[in-house]
Amino acid sequence: TQLLEQSPQFLSIQEGENLTVYCNSSSVFSSLQWYRQEPGEGPVLLVTVVTGGEVKKLKRLTFQFGDARKDSSLHITAAQPGDTGLYLCAGAGGNNNDMRFGAGTRLTVKP
Amino acid sequence: ETGVTQTPRHLVMGMTNKKSLKCEQHLGHNAMYWYKQSAKKPLELMFVYNFKEQTENNSVPSRFSPECPNSSHLFLHLHTLQPEDSALYLCASSQKVGGNTDTQYFGPGTRLTVL
Repeated sequence: TQLLEQSPQFLSIQEGENLTVYCNSSSVFSSLQWYRQEPGEGPVLLVTVVTGGEVKKLKRLTFQFGDARKDSSLHITAAQPGDTGLYLCAGAGGNNNDMRFGAGTRLTVKP
Repeated sequence: ETGVTQTPRHLVMGMTNKKSLKCEQHLGHNAMYWYKQSAKKPLELMFVYNFKEQTENNSVPSRFSPECPNSSHLFLHLHTLQPEDSALYLCASSQKVGGNTDTQYFGPGTRLTVL
């Protein structure tokens, strides 16, 4: 099994602060995706990373895929209340079959 | 709107009831998925359909029965459920099964409560 552990499980910060959340595994993934899920909705894809060491930026969000393709991080700069949600990482295995999801980090940004 | 709709959005049922969840995708995708999302647990993949054929069944109890009449529609038939089956059931679709950059598009989910 490809277990993905996300940390922290919960994070509550003030508007304007920076934060980093992590996604770690002992397995190697061919790609890793980050999703955000808002209350009452399904997860929405934010980014896909496929190359070890890859860094992608999406406005205030920076995603990094570990060199060994076993872990990833999401850094948010100057967080806003609209960033509130459940952040999920999902890894696709080497056999390119289904993805495995982590349990998520629940982020609350207070105004 | 992700192009994937699910009905009903909320469902309360007794353990002896029979109900069905419906998912429809308007994206022209070939693969559809059922996931179970419980509090503090990772999303659990239940079933995968590719071109209407079931390609994966992750040891799901037989009280959950999927049906995929065509590439755009997916059902999950429920009968004699247990309280621990209460969860958010998410449907997703993608262009194809697998592929390391294949994106899954999720519906809003059905919040199921089993009394």
